[in-house]
Amino acid sequence: AQSVTQLGSHVSVSEGALVLLRCNYSSSVPPYLFWYVQYPNQGLQLLLKYTTGATLVKGINGFEAEFKKSETSFHLTKPSAHMSDAAEYFCAVSDAGQGAQKLVFGQGTRLTINP
Amino acid sequence: KAGVTQTPRYLIKTRGQQVTLSCSPISGHRSVSWYQQTPGQGLQFLFEYFSETQRNKGNFPGRFSGRQFSNSRSEMNVSTLELGDSALYLCASSLGPGQGVYEQYFGPGTRLTVT
Repeated sequence: AQSVTQLGSHVSVSEGALVLLRCNYSSSVPPYLFWYVQYPNQGLQLLLKYTTGATLVKGINGFEAEFKKSETSFHLTKPSAHMSDAAEYFCAVSDAGQGAQKLVFGQGTRLTINP
Repeated sequence: KAGVTQTPRYLIKTRGQQVTLSCSPISGHRSVSWYQQTPGQGLQFLFEYFSETQRNKGNFPGRFSGRQFSNSRSEMNVSTLELGDSALYLCASSLGPGQGVYEQYFGPGTRLTVT
């Protein structure tokens, strides 16, 4: 069975500082990995995804993540935080056989940006 | 292109009643997945439909059911509502398996409150 662990349910950074949200996964098959963002009272928006190929993937709003198979990690980073980045972030895993239709999510990390 | 739409956005029901939620996928998308989001359990996969067939099912009791129509629109039904069914129900659509595109697009959700 697949699972996702997000380290830190709350992360607080200053505006302009580096954002680092941690995600570790468990999967017995090659994983597909995703980061989603959720703003209050809204659905989920895809930030970026890793399926195959280049392990450093770039997404929207300046975010990027690196797939590290040896560490079973897929941490999300952004060099400089903006106030508009305040939201909840979810890491998710699927497998190629499912075609990403069945996602297993982590518990989420709430990101707060301090002015 | 219009996004995923879910109706109704908010719903209040009484224990023991049943409820039907509706989801219209993005035009051209043939796969619809449903997720339940609660503060305690997080985001959990309910089921996925593709070409009017349920392809995957999560670990939920039989009170939770769904279906998909020939135009790819989907409904989910919860019978004999319990207080614990209060949640945000999210629908996501995608092209479907075998399309080589592994992205799900989420709707804004239906907030169900059971009293």
